[in-house]
Amino acid sequence: EVQLVQSGAEVKKPGESLKISCKGSGYTFANYWIGWVRQMPGKGLEWMGIIYPDDSDTRYSPSFQGQVTISADKSINTAYLQWSSLKASDSAMFYCARLLAASIDTWGQGTLVTVSS
Amino acid sequence: QSALTQPASVSGSPGQSISMSCTGGSSDVGGYNSVSWYQQHPGKAPKLVIYDVSNRPSGVSNRFSGSKSGNTASLTISGLQAEDEADYYCNSYTSNTTHVFGTGTKVTVL
Repeated sequence: EVQLVQSGAEVKKPGESLKISCKGSGYTFANYWIGWVRQMPGKGLEWMGIIYPDDSDTRYSPSFQGQVTISADKSINTAYLQWSSLKASDSAMFYCARLLAASIDTWGQGTLVTVSS
Repeated sequence: QSALTQPASVSGSPGQSISMSCTGGSSDVGGYNSVSWYQQHPGKAPKLVIYDVSNRPSGVSNRFSGSKSGNTASLTISGLQAEDEADYYCNSYTSNTTHVFGTGTKVTVL
């Protein structure tokens, strides 16, 4: 069974750094694009960017370029999303997702990030 | 890249058919047969219900169907059921970035 399992909820203070993870199983992790999607409270889905784990080719949506870093370690089937200095406005649910051609066939369970002083 | 435009809400009675639209432009919806649709219940991760405009993944009810005309894609739910009450998002590949979601449509079963 194809699965993406994300790291647990985080509570952070403004200015702190954070790295959340997404571990794939049940398929060849390196050969499928992984995307990160933000959902702010009560709002819609937003693409943040995608990464191809085999060669770490990464593409960011313009709104998130320079705001976050997406990375992957294919040796441990894990993708990452990180912030160097969190803001309160970064509070949201973050999903990782596996791309099959142009659609998402598998979603992680989501990681809730709360940034509050 | 602006989000694709969807109606904020659509409602229908059990057994009825409803449709919702997803409007973009020639660089996304109109330029590729890569529109997908996702159902999201409150507090849950989204679930794929339509891919490549009109294809249903295994296990998805045949009450869900998709189509596209020009720069607008549509999702139709026939035989509406209480369990269909959820938020629905379209998504398209785009030449400008990579992908773009729609603004989302809340489906209410009356």
